[in-house]
Amino acid sequence: EVQLVESGGGLVQPGGSLRLSCAASGFTSSNYWMSWVRQAPGKGLEWVANIKQDGSAKNYVDSVKGRFTISRDNAKNSLYLQMNSLRAEDTAVYYCASPSHITLHGFDIWGQGTMVTVSS
Amino acid sequence: QSVLTQPPSVSAAPGQKVTISCSGSSSNIGNAYVSWYQQLPGTAPKLLIYENNKRPSGIPDRFSGSKSGTSATLGITGLQTGDEADYYCGTWDTSLGAYVFGAGTKVAVL
Repeated sequence: EVQLVESGGGLVQPGGSLRLSCAASGFTSSNYWMSWVRQAPGKGLEWVANIKQDGSAKNYVDSVKGRFTISRDNAKNSLYLQMNSLRAEDTAVYYCASPSHITLHGFDIWGQGTMVTVSS
Repeated sequence: QSVLTQPPSVSAAPGQKVTISCSGSSSNIGNAYVSWYQQLPGTAPKLLIYENNKRPSGIPDRFSGSKSGTSATLGITGLQTGDEADYYCGTWDTSLGAYVFGAGTKVAVL
């Protein structure tokens, strides 16, 4: 079964750090750019970051540049998001998302999401 | 404020048709493929349309996509209560160097 499973979410104080993980199975995730997408409570989808197949290129939405770092370990079929200097506005469900063999131009595979709450 | 503009909501009676527009610019829709995503309440998004007008396996042909210039449209015919969801367009923006989503459109079946 093709699957992405996120973990690592939780409650963290403003200014704190958290590391999210995403485990891929049932497909060759190392063939694709992988992304993180988030959704604040009651709000729409926001793309956060992506990373090239070999990790040599990364892109970030402006609001997280300098605070978040995306990485991957293809040997472990895993994607990560290191989040530092967290703010209340980072509170959201964080999804791991990937293209697939049917298209490289969209997200065909999604995880179930992991909730990150930034609050004192 | 998203760079892709969608109507906040659309509605129609069961069996009817709705269309959802997604307006962008030459740096996004005008030069990239558009995808559409369906998000049912409490669930992760699901790819509905990719590369402007293609449907993944398992997506009924009641759902269709089109693109013209810097705008895209999602159509849903034979509306069903199970279609009540939020729908998002998405594409890559070359100026921003980022993937962008529309703000989403809530479909209500009256």
